[in-house]
Amino acid sequence: DAKTTQPNSMESNEEEPVHLPCNHSTISGTDYIHWYRQLPSQGPEYVIHGLTSNVNNRMASLAIAEDRKSSTLILHRATLRDAAVYYCILRDDTDKLIFGTGTRLQVFP
Amino acid sequence: NAGVTQTPKFQVLKTGQSMTLQCAQDMNHNSMYWYRQDPGMGLRLIYYSASEGTTDKGEVPNGYNVSRLNKREFSLRLESAAPSQTSVYFCASSDRGGRNTEAFFGQGTRLTVV
Repeated sequence: DAKTTQPNSMESNEEEPVHLPCNHSTISGTDYIHWYRQLPSQGPEYVIHGLTSNVNNRMASLAIAEDRKSSTLILHRATLRDAAVYYCILRDDTDKLIFGTGTRLQVFP
Repeated sequence: NAGVTQTPKFQVLKTGQSMTLQCAQDMNHNSMYWYRQDPGMGLRLIYYSASEGTTDKGEVPNGYNVSRLNKREFSLRLESAAPSQTSVYFCASSDRGGRNTEAFFGQGTRLTVV
């Protein structure tokens, strides 16, 4: 399984944008880049995913580097409810979903 | 919309006891997964099932068995529980062709083995 590298933790102030980076230098051409987050005491929830082009949805934006070796999850205006662990995951055709250690995001009022 | 339902939510076992964790999804998904999450750690895949009747080992399968009873249900069994299996267990499901689909997770089963 292809691996991802994320910072252990990041901090943000409320209502500021947050850019969460992810490196995946061994990504293959058909791997999709997925992001999930886990709020305290809850199961993970899907945030966004993409293959090559940048993606937007109601929760976040995903910016994918042209060589696909890195990506950035963008929360446009962080709220206290966005405090969570964010996982960047590569999904291949084996149908597995393998988590790494993620980035713990703290949001301050 | 129930999504992915796990039972029980909490369980305390004595060492050596057995139990089955139940998981059901109502989204007609083909793929289902079992994970464990130890305190302060990320999720680790125990077993997964790509379709009814098929199962495959994940990262940490030792000490567990699974059964994909039908398309809706995927159970995880601990035959002889050990303190090292104290963890929070999550079940998940996703549609076939997982790369381009999202996965849905249950709320977890918190298991303590004493």
